[in-house]
Amino acid sequence: GEDVEQSLFLSVREGDSSVINCTYTDSSSTYLYWYKQEPGAGLQLLTYIFSNMDMKQDQRLTVLLNKKDKHLSLRIADTQTGDSAIYFCAESTGGFKTIFGAGTRLFVKA
Amino acid sequence: GAVVSQHPSRVICKSGTSVKIECRSLDFQATTMFWYRQFPKQSLMLMATSNEGSKATYEQGVEKDKFLINHASLTLSTLTVTSAHPEDSSFYICSAPSRQGSFSYEQYFGPGTRLTVT
Repeated sequence: GEDVEQSLFLSVREGDSSVINCTYTDSSSTYLYWYKQEPGAGLQLLTYIFSNMDMKQDQRLTVLLNKKDKHLSLRIADTQTGDSAIYFCAESTGGFKTIFGAGTRLFVKA
Repeated sequence: GAVVSQHPSRVICKSGTSVKIECRSLDFQATTMFWYRQFPKQSLMLMATSNEGSKATYEQGVEKDKFLINHASLTLSTLTVTSAHPEDSSFYICSAPSRQGSFSYEQYFGPGTRLTVT
C-alpha cells in the first residue's frame, strides 16, 4: 500500500543547513508536501512540489524530488532556533486524501 | 491564514465512557473536514472525511459505530469516541480545506486533541 517514510530525528547547529529526507512508495503521486508543526499548533503547509518538477526553491527552503528513486528532500539553509519543529513529508495523487510520514523532529542547537 | 481550532486540547476519560472532540473553522466555511489519528512516532492516519449535511466517509478499518462523526454546520465537525478503551488513546487531529489558499488542495490543521483512556 501507500507509504511515506522519514527519519524521526535530526539535530543541527544554528547557522548550518538542515536536510530532511523522505521516501514514498506511490509512483502515481502527483503532489508532494512538506508540513511544519510547532509545539501546540496544527500542521502548516510549508511548501509543496508537483511531481513533474525536480526542484523548488523558496527563500531558505529548497525541495528536491527524485521521482525515479521516489525520494524527496527538504533543505533549510542557515537554520535558526525558530526552525525547531516537526516536519512532515506527505504525498497525494490529487484531491485532498493525503498520506503522511511520521514526522522528523528537527532540533537546532544554539 | 485560516484557523482551525479543536476542543479540548487534552482529555482523560475512564474506560467505557464516551468523549466528544470538536473541530471548528474560525474564519472560513468548511463543507468538508478530515479527522486523523496519530500514534507516537507514527504517521497521521486519515480516519474519515466529514461532510456537512451528510454522512461521513470512513477509511477502511475504521469502525463508524465507534467513531461517530457529526458535521452539523459549515464551521463545526465533532468526533465522538464511544465506549472508549485504552487502545483508543491517541492524538486526534482535524483539518479543513480552504479555497482561500494559493494551493487549491491546501489543508488547514487544528492543533490536535490528546485523548488518554484509563
